[in-house]
Amino acid sequence: GQQLNQSPQSMFIQEGEDVSMNCTSSSIFNTWLWYKQDPGEGPVLLIALYKAGELTSNGRLTAQFGITRKDSFLNISASIPSDVGIYFCAGQLGGSQGNLIFGKGTKLSVKP
Amino acid sequence: EAGVAQSPRYKIIEKRQSVAFWCNPISGHATLYWYQQILGQGPKLLIQFQNNGVVDDSQLPKDRFSAERLKGVDSTLKIQPAKLEDSAVYLCASSLGFTGAYEQYFGPGTRLTVT
Repeated sequence: GQQLNQSPQSMFIQEGEDVSMNCTSSSIFNTWLWYKQDPGEGPVLLIALYKAGELTSNGRLTAQFGITRKDSFLNISASIPSDVGIYFCAGQLGGSQGNLIFGKGTKLSVKP
Repeated sequence: EAGVAQSPRYKIIEKRQSVAFWCNPISGHATLYWYQQILGQGPKLLIQFQNNGVVDDSQLPKDRFSAERLKGVDSTLKIQPAKLEDSAVYLCASSLGFTGAYEQYFGPGTRLTVT
């Protein structure tokens, strides 16, 4: 089946730092979505991207739809403690009736 | 606007028992999805409904899993009989379901433990 490679798997942040994560695939996607999941909760939609090259912001979050349509990036600027959680990328193949394929997630934790 | 509702939030059963999960999507959302999320993984689609019809159930283990959405609104997912490897979080999501509006919104999930 289709796979999304999401990296890094985990990272530690210090308050105020910028954070970057990305997703890559061998397949072309029509849509990229970024979600955040807190423990015991369902994923919450952060940003949706629909066009190659598109750059979209949501507060301190910025995501880009890669020009090749095979990758996407999420940046978090000036991180705060509540940014801790698991971030998932999800891609939607053309003609897939809306089905999403998820990455394995990037776990953000606070530096001890 | 109310979000996606799911119940129960937690369920513990023994293997070979049966279990059912319920989902109520966001009002007006035509498309409903059930996902399985195993610990440490991203969600994996089990079945997708458009109104009350099945669009994709290619990854649903049909020998033990079944789902229905009788009136195009609420949905139930059933496992019978359960196996140890079914321990996971079962997530329901919904979307408006037409081109350009495939953003999916998730419920809180049901955490199933099979012992």
